[in-house]
Amino acid sequence: AQSVTQLDSQVPVFEEAPVELRCNYSSSVSVYLFWYVQYPNQGLQLLLKYLSGSTLVESINGFEAEFNKSQTSFHLRKPSVHISDTAEYFCAVSGVSGGYNKLIFGAGTRLAVHP
Amino acid sequence: ETGVTQSPTHLIKTRGQQVTLRCSSQSGHNTVSWYQQALGQGPQFIFQYYREEENGRGNFPPRFSGLQFPNYSSELNVNALELDDSALYLCASSLAGSDTEAFFGQGTRLTVV
Repeated sequence: AQSVTQLDSQVPVFEEAPVELRCNYSSSVSVYLFWYVQYPNQGLQLLLKYLSGSTLVESINGFEAEFNKSQTSFHLRKPSVHISDTAEYFCAVSGVSGGYNKLIFGAGTRLAVHP
Repeated sequence: ETGVTQSPTHLIKTRGQQVTLRCSSQSGHNTVSWYQQALGQGPQFIFQYYREEENGRGNFPPRFSGLQFPNYSSELNVNALELDDSALYLCASSLAGSDTEAFFGQGTRLTVV
């Protein structure tokens, strides 16, 4: 069975400070990993994904995540956050099971950026 | 803009009633998945439809059912509503395959009173 654990439910940080949102997963099969962002009263938007190849993946708005197979982690980082980054962030794993694929999400991490 | 649209955006129902939520998938996507997101939690997989048939289901009772139409749009039906069914219901469309991106709609906020 696959599962995702987001180690921090809330992360407060000051504007322009670095941030790391932690994500660990468990799976007995090859997985694809995703980070989604959810702004208040909105659906989920894909932030970045790891499918294969380079273990470091980047988004267009400065976030990056590194796939670490030995530690089964996929932590999200940003060197300098903005007020507009305040949102809920979900780590997810996808894998084929029973002939279909589905996303399994963590419980989410609320990033609160303060001025 | 993802191209996935859900309706309605909000609704309030009474316990015991039935509800139908609708989703129009992104053009060209043949797979639709539904998720339930309770307050303060991550989305939970309900089921997935591919080519008008349910091809996967999460840990939800049979009173949660769905349909997919030839144009790949989809419905989620919930019978005998319970208070715990109050949640944000998200629809996601994608192409078949585990390495493809799922595009989410804005969700339908269901409140059961």
